Amino acid sequence: KNQVEQSPQSLIILEGKNCTLQCNYTVSPFSNLRWYKQDTGRGPVSLTIMTFSENTKSNGRYTATLDADTKQSSLHITASQLSDSASYICVVSQAGTALIFGKGTTLSVSS
Amino acid sequence: EAGVTQSPTHLIKTRGQQATLRCSPISGHTSVYWYQQALGLGLQFLLWYDEGEERNRGNFPPRFSGRQFPNYSSELNVNALELEDSALYLCASSLGSIIGEQFFGPGTRLTVL
Repeated sequence: KNQVEQSPQSLIILEGKNCTLQCNYTVSPFSNLRWYKQDTGRGPVSLTIMTFSENTKSNGRYTATLDADTKQSSLHITASQLSDSASYICVVSQAGTALIFGKGTTLSVSS
Repeated sequence: EAGVTQSPTHLIKTRGQQATLRCSPISGHTSVYWYQQALGLGLQFLLWYDEGEERNRGNFPPRFSGRQFPNYSSELNVNALELEDSALYLCASSLGSIIGEQFFGPGTRLTVL
């Protein structure tokens, strides 16, 4: 069964700290993996998109990694800010047919 | 450049009624996607339209349907509404391939009473 599992389900960190979110998938055939940020009540906004051959991609303070062999990805957030509080969604594209969404990790950054 | 727009922002219906949600993609984008995000759940893929044709459909009953117009805007229709249809419905657009980056609209919050 094609699935995308994210962990942790929720996370609370202090402003300025780093954190890492995890994504494991069993989607096949694999096309690409995306990380989205979704603020409460808003549509998701793309952070990174990686294909099979890419293992790291950065977008400002966000760095995503991909290990296609173990089917794992991580999103690392550096020097967190209050505005980073949101849901982070891992999405895997099943080779041109569908996107499989994880349930997301809810990040809360406190001052 | 204007992003993906959706209307209405909120919609309240009662069980058994029909709901119509609308989406305008980013100019130049030919593909439109519809997703359902129920409270506490991840996004569930509903429908994908490209060049006016339905390209793929998620695991939803036939009472969820839609169409794409010649200007690439799209409608999602939900017939015979049920309480569990209450959710945030998100529309996204892309340049024509499900592999490409999708840009999301702000969503329509549907509440079924």
